[in-house]
Amino acid sequence: DAGVTQSPTHLIKTRGQQVTLRCSPKSGHDTVSWYQQALGQGPQFIFQYYEEEERQRGNFPDRFSGHQFPNYSSELNVNALLLGDSALYLCASSLQGRSGIEKLFFGSGTQLSVL
Amino acid sequence: DAKTTQPTSMDCAEGRAANLPCNHSTISGNEYVYWYRQIHSQGPQYIIHGLKNNETNEMASLIITEDRKSSTLILPHATLRDTAVYYCIATRQANQAGTALIFGKGTTLSVSS
Repeated sequence: DAGVTQSPTHLIKTRGQQVTLRCSPKSGHDTVSWYQQALGQGPQFIFQYYEEEERQRGNFPDRFSGHQFPNYSSELNVNALLLGDSALYLCASSLQGRSGIEKLFFGSGTQLSVL
Repeated sequence: DAKTTQPTSMDCAEGRAANLPCNHSTISGNEYVYWYRQIHSQGPQYIIHGLKNNETNEMASLIITEDRKSSTLILPHATLRDTAVYYCIATRQANQAGTALIFGKGTTLSVSS
């Protein structure tokens, strides 16, 4: 059973460019969350997708957008890249169970460097 | 979500129990305590969660005080592979809007031989 897979693993962009990161959730999971992790910091919540809609969002500008597809996979898009967007981007999947308790399963992340 | 406070770092000898404390004095009645850990170059990994009763699984034990203002994660026999950053998170039970886990800086646990 494959876990959460993210692509690419590493990416180098220049300021002002746009980037798309991809995530395939763990088999059977229907919810995808995205996090940004700067060096030495804990992951910061960007947004969460369920049933192809963004249902929660953290404190990130509109330059960060996402999408969830019918097969539950997801994309994170960042426009007009800034140097400060350099970070590890983590995708986490979960299943909205009856008990309401969600365990997040994380991928290994995409390391984005903006030059 | 309640704010959590953890020590920045801790050391533990291999084979000994690692006891990682977490303070969540403002936790509300419907908030759970979650523990995740992040090994270098990997995504965070779920360890355990609880509401008010002590919990144990194959990875660890979670002890929550009776007033729920603090908790302790116990790794009974720490190994070198347990070296990681450990995050304590207090958050409400997921509802239709889902649960967004908010991570702090965590505790860096270093296990040495």
